[in-house]
Amino acid sequence: QVQLVESGGGVVQPGRSLRLSCAASGFTFSSYAMHWVRQAPGKGLEWVAVISYDESSKYYADSVKGRFTISRDNSKNTMYLQMNSLRAEDTAMYYCAKERGIYSGTRGPFDFWGQGTLVTVSS
Amino acid sequence: EIVLTQSPATLSLSPGERATLSCRASQTVTIYLAWYQQKPGQAPRLLIFDASNRAAGIPARFSGSGSGTDFTLTISSLEPEDFAVYYCQQRNNWPPTFGGGTKVELK
Repeated sequence: QVQLVESGGGVVQPGRSLRLSCAASGFTFSSYAMHWVRQAPGKGLEWVAVISYDESSKYYADSVKGRFTISRDNSKNTMYLQMNSLRAEDTAMYYCAKERGIYSGTRGPFDFWGQGTLVTVSS
Repeated sequence: EIVLTQSPATLSLSPGERATLSCRASQTVTIYLAWYQQKPGQAPRLLIFDASNRAAGIPARFSGSGSGTDFTLTISSLEPEDFAVYYCQQRNNWPPTFGGGTKVELK
């Protein structure tokens, strides 16, 4: 069965960095685009970034562009999100999510989600 | 960026009743709209994709309809486990965006 497990969250001061990981299993990881979606406490969902199945395409929300970097290692079935220059407004649960279509699409829908890792940016 | 407006914000219903949730887009998204369910403390779950296609394992009481700018998620007869927050999401235009959610609560 498909499993996505995020890790790397925690409490960090404004301006500092954090790296999130998403370990995937139960499907052919190298065949699917992967996303990061976040949810601030008590708020709705916000798409953050996507990486295509072969790493050839990477896209970001305007709110994180230039500060966050998405990457993946298909040999390790793992995706990453490097978050630099963190701000209070980046405080959220960060979910990794799998693109539904194989070898296609970078905009969803997202058919499997991890349980999330919480990032808190606070001094 | 396409803005998705969901209504109502909260829907108070009893088990067995029919739930009708609306999602309106600021411009056409053709049929590229999905619906997700999220329960407290859990990740979202895909229910419907491309306006009317049920995702794998989703019960038949969930159905989606619409095209262009107006979409509806219908739960034909609410089960106790259906009380949750529901989000719509479009993939027609860049970037993918979500609606603000509709909470279906127990009356």
